Amino acid sequence: DAGVIQSPRHEVTEMGQEVTLRCKPISGHDYLFWYRQTMMRGLELLIYFNNNVPIDDSGMPEDRFSAKMPNASFSTLKIQPSEPRDSAVYFCASSFQAGKDVGNTIYFGEGSWLTVV
Amino acid sequence: AQTVTQSQPEMSVQEAETVTLSCTYDTSESDYYLFWYKQPPSRQMILVIRQEAYKQQNATENRFSVNFQKAAKSFSLKISDSQLGDAAMYFCAYSRGTASKLTFGTGTRLQVTL
Repeated sequence: DAGVIQSPRHEVTEMGQEVTLRCKPISGHDYLFWYRQTMMRGLELLIYFNNNVPIDDSGMPEDRFSAKMPNASFSTLKIQPSEPRDSAVYFCASSFQAGKDVGNTIYFGEGSWLTVV
Repeated sequence: AQTVTQSQPEMSVQEAETVTLSCTYDTSESDYYLFWYKQPPSRQMILVIRQEAYKQQNATENRFSVNFQKAAKSFSLKISDSQLGDAAMYFCAYSRGTASKLTFGTGTRLQVTL
């Protein structure tokens, strides 16, 4: 089975440019998460969706960040305009809600390494 | 708020030996999940093992096992017969359940030596 698929794997961009990160969750999963990992802050949740609806976006750092999930198989995280402090690894992850013995495990994509110069 | 604490920033183990990574957490919930994720230099987050809080039996996955002490809010990971490929950052994580968000510890970097 295909896992969570993210693109691009690596991106280097200049400050002020728009960056779009893409994610395809595991088929059948109804939760999608965007995490960011930095040396200073570790792994932090930015936003998550349930059935394509944003549930908690309290981790989105500021208005420059936006996320969408137009359908069950695709999500984007956009940064506009980008700044050097946005440099990080961005992970997309997905899971499905189920009974206690199954589901409820979050599976991660390989991450998108973003460098803003 | 839930917190996850990993008090060992770095650990080292010889190949074929056993190592235990520590994790404690704080929660007022009775129903939750605990996880260990492995992050090799490639930065991919790989699920190692998970434990449901309502289960008394400790989870095992091949060479990986946990010691889950619910009353003490402790969740340690034991790696047996360590291999060079086990070298990575290991993150302990907590979830309140029903696919809710993960809270991560700060990680333990494991080195495996010959």
